[in-house]
Amino acid sequence: AQSVSQHNHHVILSEAASLELGCNYSYGGTVNLFWYVQYPGQHLQLLLKYFSGDPLVKGIKGFEAEFIKSKFSFNLRKPSVQWSDTAEYFCAVKMGGSGNTGKLIFGQGTTLQVKP
Amino acid sequence: GAVVSQHPSRVICKSGTSVKIECRSLDFQATTMFWYRQFPKKSLMLMATSNEGSKATYEQGVEKDKFLINHASLTLSTLTVTSAHPEDSSFYICSATPVQGSDTQYFGPGTRLTVL
Repeated sequence: AQSVSQHNHHVILSEAASLELGCNYSYGGTVNLFWYVQYPGQHLQLLLKYFSGDPLVKGIKGFEAEFIKSKFSFNLRKPSVQWSDTAEYFCAVKMGGSGNTGKLIFGQGTTLQVKP
Repeated sequence: GAVVSQHPSRVICKSGTSVKIECRSLDFQATTMFWYRQFPKKSLMLMATSNEGSKATYEQGVEKDKFLINHASLTLSTLTVTSAHPEDSSFYICSATPVQGSDTQYFGPGTRLTVL
């Protein structure tokens, strides 16, 4: 079955530490990949997305993610986290590529807690 | 840009009553809107895909007669939870894609439904 896995459920970091959140999916075809962030009490916001081209994509607030096709992965990274990055992070995959007929499948989410 | 609103933000109702939740795209037209359900500490589960002017497509296991979806215009979709029961208590989130073929979903702030 098509699925998206986020291996880190709860991550606690100190400010200025580096962050990497894992995301893997199970699907052999074309995919569109997304990372969304949900700050406490707020709605989901798009951090970054990958459709095609350069597998290293940069998003807002200093986040980036790398698509490694051979590993079916799309890990999220940030070199130096801030207390304001405390939030829930969701990886989402649209399997089958572009076009608005396919649905987004979300990972379980990772809770990031940054200690000041 | 690409703002999605939901109304109400929270609602409490008695068991057996029906509740309508509105999802509006405020600054764009949305050919497709999606309805999700988010359980505490869990990921988003897609309930249905709503296309303007046509019947919604429900995910497996989602009762279409219980969760009525209407997408009457390019800026409004409604979800009606009919004969609500306590197990329907949840956080309901909608999203919308701005243009035909767009793969980026923009999310509303969600509606917290509590059924007593």
